Amino acid sequence: QVQLQESGPGLVKPSETLSLTCAVSGYSISSGYYWGWIRQPPGKGLEWIGSIYHSGSTYYNPSLKSRVTISVDTSKNQFSLKLSSVTAADTAVYYCARVEQWLPSYYFDYWGQGTLVTVSS
Amino acid sequence: QSVLTQPPSASGTPGQRVTISCSGSSSNIGSNTVNWYQQLPGTAPKLLIYSNNQRPSGVPDRFSGSKSGTSASLAISGLQSEDEADYYCAAWDDSLNGSVVFGGGTKLTVL
Repeated sequence: QVQLQESGPGLVKPSETLSLTCAVSGYSISSGYYWGWIRQPPGKGLEWIGSIYHSGSTYYNPSLKSRVTISVDTSKNQFSLKLSSVTAADTAVYYCARVEQWLPSYYFDYWGQGTLVTVSS
Repeated sequence: QSVLTQPPSASGTPGQRVTISCSGSSSNIGSNTVNWYQQLPGTAPKLLIYSNNQRPSGVPDRFSGSKSGTSASLAISGLQSEDEADYYCAAWDDSLNGSVVFGGGTKLTVL
């Protein structure tokens, strides 16, 4: 069974960089699939951040692209998210997920439990 | 403002059939498949329907999806109390080099 677990600081100061890692178990990242990040501000809906293939190929949300970097470490079977210059608007629960991407089909079939990141001084 | 449009709320009584709509455009629903996610209170979203009308293993056949043109629908028959949750539609969007777009979510209340 594929399992994903997010980890990282729960509190980040404004203007700093948010950094999260998603550890994957039950499946080897280097075997395939894209791997993605999605966030959900408190009481609001879901927003796609971006995704990465084991080779390093990435897709980013155009509205966040200038501030987002997603990377993969196949040796540790994990992938990471960095979001720079954060503001209070970046406060959200951040989820990592496995992506089934065979356009025109694109969906998240396994999700992590999510981690709340608060941006505050 | 979400790219895909869903009603903010829906409701039904146990045993009833409920439908939730999702409206998009030619660059998303019109040219790509639609997926639905169920989010129970305090939990991560769960894939409910993929590729318009396919159910992952373990999802009851009470849940069904359909798509026509630039709109899609999720139907829940034989409504149960445990179906009370937020439901989100999503699709790939071909504009701006490609991205995933979500609906704003529909809160389903079982009366």
